[in-house]
Amino acid sequence: DAKTTQPPSMDCAEGRAANLPCNHSTISGNEYVYWYRQIHSQGPQYIIHGLKNNETNEMASLIITEDRKSSTLILPHATLRDTAVYYCIVSLRIQGAQKLVFGQGTRLTINP
Amino acid sequence: SAVISQKPSRDICQRGTSLTIQCQVDSQVTMMFWYRQQPGQSLTLIATANQGSEATYESGFVIDKFPISRPNLTFSTLTVSNMSPEDSSIYLCSVVWGLGTEAFFGQGTRLTVV
Repeated sequence: DAKTTQPPSMDCAEGRAANLPCNHSTISGNEYVYWYRQIHSQGPQYIIHGLKNNETNEMASLIITEDRKSSTLILPHATLRDTAVYYCIVSLRIQGAQKLVFGQGTRLTINP
Repeated sequence: SAVISQKPSRDICQRGTSLTIQCQVDSQVTMMFWYRQQPGQSLTLIATANQGSEATYESGFVIDKFPISRPNLTFSTLTVSNMSPEDSSIYLCSVVWGLGTEAFFGQGTRLTVV
């Protein structure tokens, strides 16, 4: 199973870009990188995922290094509502679909 | 997207009893998973609920303690059996349609065992 390593906590000023790093040095070629977040007392919320190329959606951007051993989630203009625990996950294939194994995540605090 | 309904949303139970948690999805899904989140901790995968066959359990979880049913492609139940205070957690179901697609989570069932 590919494991991920994230800093336990980060702070970011409101309105600035929040860059959350993740190391996944044992990732294999067909495993995806997923990012989820969990706001207090809610179920995890999907943010973005990618395989090899950088990805962008309305919530965030995902930058994956060329060797795929690390990635960075970018929240371009962080707001107070982005305060949450962010999980970087490398998916494991099972019967044609992925199984998500969560690590400890990064607790991101957006400060006014 | 998917609408996932978990019932109950919370419960307080006596030790030694059992609680069955339901997960209903508004469309057919390929994979359904059950997770546990202990206080202050990350999510831990309990098992994969397989339609029409026995669930596949992760290390540290057994069928006798956490029996799972999945009678069709939109519904699953997780039972927490013979509960102790250590079982106090949030239990979440998750659904996935296929490889390379996002997973959706229910809002969870907050269980307190006294």
